[in-house]
Amino acid sequence: DTGVSQDPRHKITKRGQNVTFRCDPISEHNRLYWYRQTLGQGPEFLTYFQNEAQLEKSRLLSDRFSAERPKGSFSTLEIQRTEQGDSAMYLCASSFPLGQETQYFGPGTRLLVL
Amino acid sequence: SQQGEEDPQALSIQEGENATMNCSYKTSINNLQWYRQNSGRGLVHLILIRSNEREKHSGRLRVTLDTSKKSSSLLITASRAADTASYFCVNFGNEKLTFGTGTRLTIIP
Repeated sequence: DTGVSQDPRHKITKRGQNVTFRCDPISEHNRLYWYRQTLGQGPEFLTYFQNEAQLEKSRLLSDRFSAERPKGSFSTLEIQRTEQGDSAMYLCASSFPLGQETQYFGPGTRLLVL
Repeated sequence: SQQGEEDPQALSIQEGENATMNCSYKTSINNLQWYRQNSGRGLVHLILIRSNEREKHSGRLRVTLDTSKKSSSLLITASRAADTASYFCVNFGNEKLTFGTGTRLTIIP
């Protein structure tokens, strides 16, 4: 399967714990995006990378959130000191160098903070 | 805001019927896209229509765009059970996608 993959698919954690999610984009895609989706809503943009450079972060991304893409391939999203309000689906997407507007999404990581 | 607003929020139809959902947006756009999300295949790009296009077809999908009214519509013909999903109209601007809240479509067998 050459699509976008995410790991884990589900994560249950206790409030205050740290969690890390991984995204592997389609190999020839240079852009990688993170979105968050809560129940009944559309996905909301969090941040994106072009190669290894993080070019924009949403105001939704508090200081407890950090994302990396160290070699311009896979990316990680870490949430420190999780709160119940962090419970959501975290979606990763990637896109070709040309045609950035069409993004290919992974299956998402569903986070539940107890 | 560049967010689109889909209408209706929910739609249920019999299998084989056509489904129409609408999207209105507030800002000027370069292109507008429709995405589908279901539990089986996740979030998938369906079709993109550029601001200089008025209508576009892809299989059983037909998308229209009216830039003067800042609106778009998605028509799914001959619906199937597998079309059950949420449908989002999406704007690409400032290097990111902006989603509306979606239309939840249910196809009744």
